[in-house]
Amino acid sequence: RKEVEQDPGPFNVPEGATVAFNCTYSNSASQSFFWYRQDCRKEPKLLMSVYSSGNEDGRFTAQLNRASQYISLLIRDSKLSDSATYLCVVSRGTGRRALTFGSGTRLQVQP
Amino acid sequence: EPEVTQTPSHQVTQMGQEVILRCVPISNHLYFYWYRQILGQKVEFLVSFYNNEISEKSEIFDDQFSVERPDGSNFTLKIRSTKLEDSAMYFCASSDWGGEDTEAFFGQGTRLTVV
Repeated sequence: RKEVEQDPGPFNVPEGATVAFNCTYSNSASQSFFWYRQDCRKEPKLLMSVYSSGNEDGRFTAQLNRASQYISLLIRDSKLSDSATYLCVVSRGTGRRALTFGSGTRLQVQP
Repeated sequence: EPEVTQTPSHQVTQMGQEVILRCVPISNHLYFYWYRQILGQKVEFLVSFYNNEISEKSEIFDDQFSVERPDGSNFTLKIRSTKLEDSAMYFCASSDWGGEDTEAFFGQGTRLTVV
Protein backbone atom coordinates (compact mmCIF):
# COMPACT_ATOMS: atom_id res chain seq x y z
CA ARG A 1 0.00 0.00 0.00
CA LYS A 2 1.31 3.48 -0.86
CA GLU A 3 2.16 5.68 2.11
CA VAL A 4 -0.11 8.44 0.88
CA GLU A 5 -2.56 7.65 -1.86
CA GLN A 6 -4.41 10.16 -4.01
CA ASP A 7 -6.46 10.03 -7.18
CA PRO A 8 -4.12 11.59 -9.77
CA GLY A 9 -6.95 13.16 -11.75
CA PRO A 10 -7.05 15.35 -13.69
CA PHE A 11 -10.21 16.90 -12.42
CA ASN A 12 -11.54 19.24 -15.08
CA VAL A 13 -14.19 21.53 -13.63
CA PRO A 14 -15.86 24.77 -14.73
CA GLU A 15 -15.35 27.99 -12.86
CA GLY A 16 -17.63 28.21 -9.86
CA ALA A 17 -17.83 24.47 -9.36
CA THR A 18 -17.25 22.67 -6.10
CA VAL A 19 -14.63 19.96 -6.19
CA ALA A 20 -13.49 17.45 -3.58
CA PHE A 21 -10.22 15.59 -3.27
CA ASN A 22 -9.56 12.60 -1.08
CA CYS A 23 -6.47 11.00 0.28
CA THR A 24 -5.64 7.98 2.42
CA TYR A 25 -2.46 7.40 4.40
CA SER A 26 -0.99 4.21 5.77
CA ASN A 27 1.17 5.39 8.67
CA SER A 28 -1.00 5.41 11.77
CA ALA A 29 1.83 7.18 13.65
CA SER A 30 1.46 10.30 11.50
CA GLN A 31 0.44 13.24 13.64
CA SER A 32 0.36 16.19 11.30
CA PHE A 33 -1.56 16.55 8.08
CA PHE A 34 -1.51 19.12 5.35
CA TRP A 35 -2.65 20.05 1.91
CA TYR A 36 0.02 21.65 -0.23
CA ARG A 37 -0.41 23.14 -3.64
CA GLN A 38 2.15 22.78 -6.42
CA ASP A 39 2.09 24.73 -9.65
CA CYS A 40 3.85 23.25 -12.66
CA ARG A 41 7.60 22.90 -12.01
CA LYS A 42 7.38 25.05 -8.90
CA GLU A 43 7.91 24.39 -5.23
CA PRO A 44 5.13 23.04 -2.98
CA LYS A 45 3.34 25.70 -0.98
CA LEU A 46 1.23 25.11 2.09
CA LEU A 47 -2.46 25.50 1.43
CA MET A 48 -3.67 24.51 4.87
CA SER A 49 -3.07 22.24 7.81
CA VAL A 50 -5.73 19.65 8.55
CA TYR A 51 -7.16 18.98 11.96
CA SER A 52 -9.49 16.30 13.30
CA SER A 53 -12.12 18.90 14.05
CA GLY A 54 -12.08 20.02 10.43
CA ASN A 55 -11.00 23.46 9.37
CA GLU A 56 -11.95 26.04 6.83
CA ASP A 57 -10.02 28.80 5.14
CA GLY A 58 -12.20 30.85 2.84
CA ARG A 59 -13.31 28.61 -0.01
CA PHE A 60 -11.26 25.67 1.24
CA THR A 61 -12.39 23.11 3.80
CA ALA A 62 -10.26 20.23 5.03
CA GLN A 63 -11.30 17.21 7.05
CA LEU A 64 -9.37 14.47 8.76
CA ASN A 65 -10.67 11.08 9.86
CA ARG A 66 -7.96 9.42 11.93
CA ALA A 67 -9.87 6.19 12.39
CA SER A 68 -10.14 5.71 8.63
CA GLN A 69 -6.79 7.40 7.91
CA TYR A 70 -8.55 9.60 5.41
CA ILE A 71 -8.11 13.26 4.54
CA SER A 72 -10.26 15.41 2.31
CA LEU A 73 -10.16 18.83 0.71
CA LEU A 74 -13.19 20.68 -0.58
CA ILE A 75 -12.84 23.69 -2.85
CA ARG A 76 -15.95 25.80 -3.34
CA ASP A 77 -16.55 28.34 -6.09
CA SER A 78 -13.47 27.26 -8.08
CA LYS A 79 -11.39 29.98 -9.70
CA LEU A 80 -9.12 29.70 -12.72
CA SER A 81 -6.23 30.41 -10.36
CA ASP A 82 -7.03 27.24 -8.41
CA SER A 83 -5.65 25.19 -11.31
CA ALA A 84 -2.70 23.32 -9.82
CA THR A 85 -1.71 19.98 -8.35
CA TYR A 86 -2.93 19.42 -4.80
CA LEU A 87 -0.63 17.38 -2.61
CA CYS A 88 -1.80 15.45 0.41
CA VAL A 89 1.02 15.47 2.94
CA VAL A 90 1.48 13.74 6.28
CA SER A 91 4.23 13.77 8.87
CA ARG A 92 6.44 10.69 8.97
CA GLY A 93 5.52 9.84 12.52
CA THR A 94 5.20 10.99 16.08
CA GLY A 95 7.68 13.74 16.82
CA ARG A 96 8.98 13.64 13.28
CA ARG A 97 8.85 16.79 11.22
CA ALA A 98 9.79 15.30 7.89
CA LEU A 99 6.94 14.93 5.46
CA THR A 100 5.57 12.19 3.23
CA PHE A 101 3.90 13.46 0.08
CA GLY A 102 1.20 11.95 -2.04
CA SER A 103 1.62 12.01 -5.79
CA GLY A 104 -0.93 14.77 -6.07
CA THR A 105 -4.28 15.39 -7.71
CA ARG A 106 -4.30 17.71 -10.69
CA LEU A 107 -7.08 20.26 -10.93
CA GLN A 108 -7.85 22.20 -14.09
CA VAL A 109 -10.50 24.89 -13.74
CA GLN A 110 -11.92 25.91 -17.07
CA PRO A 111 -13.62 29.18 -18.04
CA GLU B 1 8.29 38.17 2.98
CA PRO B 2 11.17 35.92 4.05
CA GLU B 3 11.90 33.07 1.71
CA VAL B 4 14.17 30.08 1.22
CA THR B 5 16.59 30.68 -1.63
CA GLN B 6 18.42 28.02 -3.60
CA THR B 7 21.31 28.20 -6.02
CA PRO B 8 21.81 27.40 -8.77
CA SER B 9 18.35 27.14 -10.30
CA HIS B 10 19.62 24.60 -12.82
CA GLN B 11 22.78 22.51 -12.81
CA VAL B 12 23.99 20.11 -15.45
CA THR B 13 26.72 17.70 -14.47
CA GLN B 14 28.42 14.64 -15.88
CA MET B 15 27.81 11.25 -14.34
CA GLY B 16 30.37 10.55 -11.63
CA GLN B 17 30.98 14.20 -10.80
CA GLU B 18 30.36 15.76 -7.42
CA VAL B 19 27.73 18.45 -7.07
CA ILE B 20 26.88 20.81 -4.24
CA LEU B 21 23.44 22.32 -4.05
CA ARG B 22 23.13 25.41 -1.94
CA CYS B 23 20.30 26.78 0.14
CA VAL B 24 19.80 29.77 2.38
CA PRO B 25 16.96 28.93 4.78
CA ILE B 26 14.79 31.56 6.42
CA SER B 27 17.00 33.27 8.97
CA ASN B 28 15.29 32.43 12.26
CA HIS B 29 14.37 28.88 11.31
CA LEU B 30 15.90 25.95 13.13
CA TYR B 31 14.93 22.90 11.08
CA PHE B 32 16.22 22.30 7.60
CA TYR B 33 15.31 19.70 5.01
CA TRP B 34 16.13 18.43 1.56
CA TYR B 35 13.53 16.83 -0.66
CA ARG B 36 13.70 15.76 -4.26
CA GLN B 37 11.16 15.32 -7.03
CA ILE B 38 11.99 13.24 -10.07
CA LEU B 39 10.12 14.55 -13.10
CA GLY B 40 6.54 13.34 -13.08
CA GLN B 41 6.84 11.74 -9.65
CA LYS B 42 6.05 12.69 -6.08
CA VAL B 43 8.13 14.79 -3.75
CA GLU B 44 10.39 12.53 -1.66
CA PHE B 45 12.03 13.27 1.67
CA LEU B 46 15.80 12.98 1.80
CA VAL B 47 17.06 14.38 5.09
CA SER B 48 16.28 16.69 7.97
CA PHE B 49 18.82 18.66 9.98
CA TYR B 50 18.57 20.27 13.38
CA ASN B 51 21.07 21.57 15.87
CA ASN B 52 23.95 20.92 13.48
CA GLU B 53 23.22 17.27 12.95
CA ILE B 54 21.04 15.01 10.87
CA SER B 55 17.82 14.30 12.75
CA GLU B 56 16.28 11.97 10.21
CA LYS B 57 17.07 10.54 6.79
CA SER B 58 15.31 8.38 4.27
CA GLU B 59 16.56 5.26 2.52
CA ILE B 60 17.35 7.43 -0.51
CA PHE B 61 19.94 9.37 1.49
CA ASP B 62 22.80 6.89 1.22
CA ASP B 63 26.55 7.36 1.55
CA GLN B 64 26.65 9.32 -1.70
CA PHE B 65 24.77 12.16 -0.03
CA SER B 66 25.87 14.51 2.71
CA VAL B 67 24.61 17.75 4.20
CA GLU B 68 26.38 20.57 5.88
CA ARG B 69 25.68 23.91 7.46
CA PRO B 70 29.08 25.50 6.88
CA ASP B 71 28.16 28.86 8.38
CA GLY B 72 25.19 30.53 10.00
CA SER B 73 23.24 30.95 6.83
CA ASN B 74 23.95 28.28 4.22
CA PHE B 75 22.72 24.70 4.12
CA THR B 76 24.21 22.46 1.46
CA LEU B 77 23.50 19.08 -0.09
CA LYS B 78 26.46 17.27 -1.64
CA ILE B 79 26.17 14.34 -3.99
CA ARG B 80 29.58 12.71 -4.21
CA SER B 81 29.38 10.77 -7.44
CA THR B 82 26.27 11.58 -9.40
CA LYS B 83 24.27 8.95 -11.22
CA LEU B 84 21.78 9.39 -14.03
CA GLU B 85 18.97 8.58 -11.60
CA ASP B 86 19.94 11.54 -9.41
CA SER B 87 18.43 13.80 -12.05
CA ALA B 88 15.58 15.55 -10.27
CA MET B 89 14.38 18.82 -8.78
CA TYR B 90 15.91 19.24 -5.35
CA PHE B 91 13.98 21.34 -2.87
CA CYS B 92 15.39 22.80 0.31
CA ALA B 93 12.92 23.65 3.07
CA SER B 94 13.05 25.16 6.52
CA SER B 95 10.70 25.46 9.46
CA ASP B 96 10.51 27.29 12.73
CA TRP B 97 10.77 25.89 16.24
CA GLY B 98 7.03 25.25 16.68
CA GLY B 99 5.24 21.90 16.82
CA GLU B 100 5.16 19.18 14.22
CA ASP B 101 2.45 20.99 12.30
CA THR B 102 4.62 24.04 11.79
CA GLU B 103 4.71 25.05 8.16
CA ALA B 104 7.73 24.05 6.13
CA PHE B 105 8.73 26.71 3.61
CA PHE B 106 10.21 25.43 0.39
CA GLY B 107 12.76 27.05 -1.86
CA GLN B 108 12.14 27.33 -5.59
CA GLY B 109 14.34 24.28 -6.23
CA THR B 110 17.47 23.35 -8.11
CA ARG B 111 16.94 21.28 -11.21
CA LEU B 112 19.82 18.80 -11.43
CA THR B 113 20.44 17.11 -14.74
CA VAL B 114 23.03 14.32 -14.82
CA VAL B 115 24.26 13.44 -18.30
